[in-house]
Amino acid sequence: DIQMTQSPSTLSASVGDRVTITCRASQNLNSWLAWYQQKPGKAPKMLIYKASTLESGVPSRFSGSGSGTDFTLTISTLQPDDFATYYCQQYYSSSWTFGQGTKVEI
Amino acid sequence: QITLKESGPTLVRPTQTLTLTCTFSGFSLKSDGVGVGWIRQPPGKALDWLGILYWDDSQYYRPSLKTRLTVSWGPAENQSILTLTNADPVDTATYFCVYRRAFGADRPVDSWGPGTVVTVSA
Repeated sequence: DIQMTQSPSTLSASVGDRVTITCRASQNLNSWLAWYQQKPGKAPKMLIYKASTLESGVPSRFSGSGSGTDFTLTISTLQPDDFATYYCQQYYSSSWTFGQGTKVEI
Repeated sequence: QITLKESGPTLVRPTQTLTLTCTFSGFSLKSDGVGVGWIRQPPGKALDWLGILYWDDSQYYRPSLKTRLTVSWGPAENQSILTLTNADPVDTATYFCVYRRAFGADRPVDSWGPGTVVTVSA
């Protein structure tokens, strides 16, 4: 399996902050990486795919960057609705894997 | 509009077989490239990818579950079935089915079901 390591596990932030979450893969993914946001009791919502492509309807304050093994999700100006858990996912191999998640809390 | 919905037992006894159905609409499994997959999430833990079945019957599974896990097409044309043998309490989770528009597409997942909670307990 390709291992995905996210950091930090928990992030305390305030409305208006710039937030950065990182994801490191155990091997090269090229750009086959997605980011999801999940709120309690709900299915995840995809924010970014192919490392940096913003999903339709997702606010432009979300952005993704990186390639190879190191990737970043940035929220430029944190909004109240953004407090949630975020996951990266690799889909380079035929066996997909997720990171362990980053909880963004107040 | 694409919709998916998971269904099945909420309680499964240890060593029994866990069987879930994903009933979908808005796409056909006969369309080239289409895939239906399964992802689970134990309570309070991270997402865990299980496997995916594509329109051409090709299947891909999480290696550690490959001997216990099967994803197949259901008796109805708009269904996918997840079968997990020898259930264990660690299989307690919310199970999601997902739709992928095409093998190798830029997006890994195009739609999610709402999820169904399964508890494995004596």
